[in-house]
Amino acid sequence: QKEVEQNSGPLSVPEGAIASLNCTYSDRVSQSFFWYRQYSGKSPELIMSIYSNGDKEDGRFTAQLNKASQYVSLLIRDSQPSDSATYLCAVNMRGGSEKLVFGKGTKLTVNP
Amino acid sequence: EAQVTQNPRYLITVTGKKLTVTCSQNMNHEYMSWYRQDPGLGLRQIYYSMNVEVTDKGDVPEGYKVSRKEKRNFPLILESPSPNQTSLYFCASSFSSGSDTQYFGPGTRLTVL
Repeated sequence: QKEVEQNSGPLSVPEGAIASLNCTYSDRVSQSFFWYRQYSGKSPELIMSIYSNGDKEDGRFTAQLNKASQYVSLLIRDSQPSDSATYLCAVNMRGGSEKLVFGKGTKLTVNP
Repeated sequence: EAQVTQNPRYLITVTGKKLTVTCSQNMNHEYMSWYRQDPGLGLRQIYYSMNVEVTDKGDVPEGYKVSRKEKRNFPLILESPSPNQTSLYFCASSFSSGSDTQYFGPGTRLTVL
């Protein structure tokens, strides 16, 4: 069973702090990694994608990938109340067909 | 505007009454898929389509049908809905494969009584 695991949370941080979200995956040959943000009752929207080991920064968001450890994380700097949402990690899995497998998400609350 | 649209957005129906949820994308994407999202279970893929007339089962296909007669449209059909199909449904599309960035529609909240 190919899986993507996330801490379910909830994760609560004060406004202005760094929020750290973690994800592990089971398929050693996975090549594509995504972070989606989902507000309650809304559809997932892409925040970042990462394909190579190391860090990728986009504004307040940094994705980190370590393929050897099968670990991907998302850091949110200067967290804002508007960042309060569920964050979904998605990883491509190969098998009968290639597809994205989503983690169950980590709920983040940023307190003013 | 590039987008994935779904209709209806909300639907309350009764057991056994056939329904169709439409999905359309205007990005000329090859790959389309349907997911359901349930509390504690996350997003689970129902069916996917690699191209016109090419569809295949995802992880939870029982009780659902799909068709892909045109590239832009990928309707989800529930021929005899049951209460365990009450869920939030998302259509998604991507450029060429299931490993690409998935772009999601706004969702359809279905309640089967």
